[in-house]
Amino acid sequence: KQEVTQIPAALSVPEGENLVLNCSFTDSAIYNLQWFRQDPGKGLTSLLLIQSSQREQTSGRLNASLDKSSGRSTLYIAASQPGDSATYLCALSGYGNNRLAFGKGNQVVVIP
Amino acid sequence: DGGITQSPKYLFRKEGQNVTLSCEQNLNHDAMYWYRQDPGQGLRLIYYSQIVNDFQKGDIAEGYSVSREKKESFPLTVTSAQKNPTAFYLCASSIGGQGWQTQYFGPGTRLLVL
Repeated sequence: KQEVTQIPAALSVPEGENLVLNCSFTDSAIYNLQWFRQDPGKGLTSLLLIQSSQREQTSGRLNASLDKSSGRSTLYIAASQPGDSATYLCALSGYGNNRLAFGKGNQVVVIP
Repeated sequence: DGGITQSPKYLFRKEGQNVTLSCEQNLNHDAMYWYRQDPGQGLRLIYYSQIVNDFQKGDIAEGYSVSREKKESFPLTVTSAQKNPTAFYLCASSIGGQGWQTQYFGPGTRLLVL
């Protein structure tokens, strides 16, 4: 069974600093990995999806990398803003189905 | 606007009562999913459906039931057999049931027990 771990569980950074969020997983036989954002009491918004054959994806200030051999993914948010305050969830899908295995999330607070 | 709607936003359940959470999508997606989220926890899959009139159990299906009579709708019933139903419930959909397809999420329903 796929186990997904996100460290740290919570962090605070001053505005302008770069954010680095980590996701590790136990089974490297994945189809893709997604990073989601969740605001308090809200649903999830997909940020980036990395196929298993890819090493990274970028969207604006966000960059996500994937290293299947070491079972790790990193979400990098450049020049953080107070609006980046949210919980970031990592999720992986296996081959043949779209069942996602989620981590518990990284709760981020960006201090103005 | 295309998207996923869930209703109600808050739902209260009395002891021994069955309650139904609504999920509707107008994205023309074949696959739909129900997840449960507890405080400080990741999402856990309850049920999923890859096509109309078909659905499969997820990791925590006990005490829940679903139906998929229409492509647009995937209601979840929380039965009295679910002894700890207090949680945030999220519905999602994707174009199909393959692993490369992004899931899109609704705004969620928070279920509380009276």
